[in-house]
Amino acid sequence: GQNIDQPTEMTATEGAIVQINCTYQTSGFNGLFWYQQHAGEAPTFLSYNVLDGLEEKGRFSSFLSRSKGYSYLLLKELQMKDSASYLCAVMPASNYQLIWGAGTKLIIKP
Amino acid sequence: GAVVSQHPSWVICKSGTSVKIECRSLDFQATTMFWYRQFPKQSLMLMATSNEGSKATYEQGVEKDKFLINHASLTLSTLTVTSAHPEDSSFYICSARDMAGGTDTQYFGPGTRLTVL
Repeated sequence: GQNIDQPTEMTATEGAIVQINCTYQTSGFNGLFWYQQHAGEAPTFLSYNVLDGLEEKGRFSSFLSRSKGYSYLLLKELQMKDSASYLCAVMPASNYQLIWGAGTKLIIKP
Repeated sequence: GAVVSQHPSWVICKSGTSVKIECRSLDFQATTMFWYRQFPKQSLMLMATSNEGSKATYEQGVEKDKFLINHASLTLSTLTVTSAHPEDSSFYICSARDMAGGTDTQYFGPGTRLTVL
């Protein structure tokens, strides 16, 4: 089967750094995506990794290891507005539909 | 770039009526759009894949006669909830697949909150 695992909830402090992990087992691989979803809103695209390594985009970075079936989203200099759910999704090679993780709810405390 | 709009943002209707939701890709062409539903505090659930010029592909358990999808152009897909009932109340979100520039990314519309009385 196809499976994506990520922690249900994480808590971090404003100004700190947090790493949200995602592991996946899919029938193929054509890219891994991270989305941010605030409560009551639709997801917004954060990052896309298809090759191994780190992709940096401002305060957010995403890492991928295809051999390990592993990715993480790194958020630096946390702000209160970063409180949201972070969704990990994989596009299997055979299908352009995304397989979604259940999301990690990130709570930022002052 | 890669902006997707949805209309309406929210709608309240009486049980038994039909509701149409529009999804538009504003600055790119999308041969494929997706329709999701999300209940409070639950994960996104893919309902169907909408392909321009052809019939939509529905996920298991989603009634195609109840959720009518039309993707008549490269920038517009519509979802019509027919004979809506209170259990259809949910947050409906579309996404559009952007394949320009070597990427293959889904961008989401802002969602439509449907309440059926």
